Amino acid sequence: DTGVSQDPRHKITKRGQNVTFRCDPISEHNRLYWYRQTLGQGPEFLTYFQNEAQLEKSRLLSDRFSAERPKGSFSTLEIQRTEQGDSAMYLCASSPGDFYEQYFGPGTRLTVT
Amino acid sequence: EDQVTQSPEALRLQEGESSSLNCSYTVSGLRGLFWYRQDPGKGPEFLFTLYSAGEEKEKERLKATLTKKESFLHITAPKPEDSATYLCAARGSGNTPLVFGKGTRLSVIA
Repeated sequence: DTGVSQDPRHKITKRGQNVTFRCDPISEHNRLYWYRQTLGQGPEFLTYFQNEAQLEKSRLLSDRFSAERPKGSFSTLEIQRTEQGDSAMYLCASSPGDFYEQYFGPGTRLTVT
Repeated sequence: EDQVTQSPEALRLQEGESSSLNCSYTVSGLRGLFWYRQDPGKGPEFLFTLYSAGEEKEKERLKATLTKKESFLHITAPKPEDSATYLCAARGSGNTPLVFGKGTRLSVIA
C-alpha cells in the first residue's frame, strides 16, 4: 500500500492559464474524492467518483473546473482560465467504499498570480 | 444543511498537560464521525472513525468518544510531536458529502 499520491505538489500559474492536477488513489479503492482547502479552513468537498463514474459535484465546482477518472484508476482535475480566488490546496482522497474513512494525499498547492 | 463546529480554534498546552478538543455536529442520520490530524503543508492523516453514540477509540495518547451531538478528542500527557491541527468530519445518510470543521490548532510546549 503506497498511499494516495498527487502531482505536482506545487503549481504557480498566471491568471487566465489552465492547470491540470493528477491523483493516484490507493489501488484497491473504488471511490476517489477531490477537495479544496484554504488557510484556516477545513477541506471542502468538490466532487467524487465511484470507479469511472462521477456521481456528485459541489456547487463550489464552477464550469471552469472539470474532473475525470478514465478506467477508474487515476483522476485529473483541470481548472480553466484560473483566477486568483482559485489559489488553494487541492486534496485528493480515496476510500474502499461509501461511509468508510477516506485517505488523503499530500495535496497540490496552487498559487495564481 | 450538515454542519460541523470545532472548539477551541487554537489550544496551547504544556507538555504533559491533558485536555480535550470538541466537535459538535448537526447531520441527518449520522453514518460516521471521523478525526484527522493535519501537519502544516500536508494532507490530513486519518486517526479514528466512530459510528454510534457511546463508541470510543484509542491510539497512543489519543482517545475519541462520541455522543448523539458531539465528539471529543482527549489528549493524555501530550508531547511536542502532538502539535498539529486536528480536524473533525461528519458524514450523514444519503448522498451527502463528508463535512469538515475548521479544525483545532494544537501547540504542545516542552
